[in-house]
Amino acid sequence: SQKIEQNSEALNIQEGKTATLTCNYTNYSPAYLQWYRQDPGRGPVFLLLIRENEKEKRKERLKVTFDTTLKQSLFHITASQPADSATYLCAPRDYGQNFVFGPGTRLSVLP
Amino acid sequence: NAGVTQTPKFRILKIGQSMTLQCAQDMNHNYMYWYRQDPGMGLKLIYYSVGAGITDKGEVPNGYNVSRSTTEDFPLRLELAAPSQTSVYFCASSPTGGNQPQHFGDGTRLSIL
Repeated sequence: SQKIEQNSEALNIQEGKTATLTCNYTNYSPAYLQWYRQDPGRGPVFLLLIRENEKEKRKERLKVTFDTTLKQSLFHITASQPADSATYLCAPRDYGQNFVFGPGTRLSVLP
Repeated sequence: NAGVTQTPKFRILKIGQSMTLQCAQDMNHNYMYWYRQDPGMGLKLIYYSVGAGITDKGEVPNGYNVSRSTTEDFPLRLELAAPSQTSVYFCASSPTGGNQPQHFGDGTRLSIL
């Protein structure tokens, strides 16, 4: 069955550093991969989408990579700020009706 | 600009009681979804709908029912509440499926005692 793993349940980094979150998947061949941000007590909010034929996608301080050979996506936040503290979810997507999410990584950016 | 609205925000039920979680969207999206989120487990799909009158099961449908009589509304019903259904429930919508981003409500926190 499909399995989606995110590198760790929690990640602490110092303000100003780059945060790198990992999403690995098995028994799955997604055509796209989405990343969402979730704040406590709120629903997830869409951040970025990357397609299987795109190696990298950027949006302001965010960068996402997608390696279909490694079955992995990396999500980077550069020059991190305390306001970036949240849980980040990856969501691989195929052309069918598979709507799955990873368990999330809780990021804490320490001032 | 409401987006996806869920009611109630919190509810406590006794074992065996029934209730309906309400979800409404004002973006004219065709697809709507219900997920449950348990600590450390991520979002699990309960049911989804690709349009009015069409619903389908997700990964964890047992103990739940849905209906979709209009584009805007997608209620989730619990018939006989069990402690295992204690969770946070999220409703979401998207224009279509596939790669379309999903827009989420802020959830209903449900406790079954």
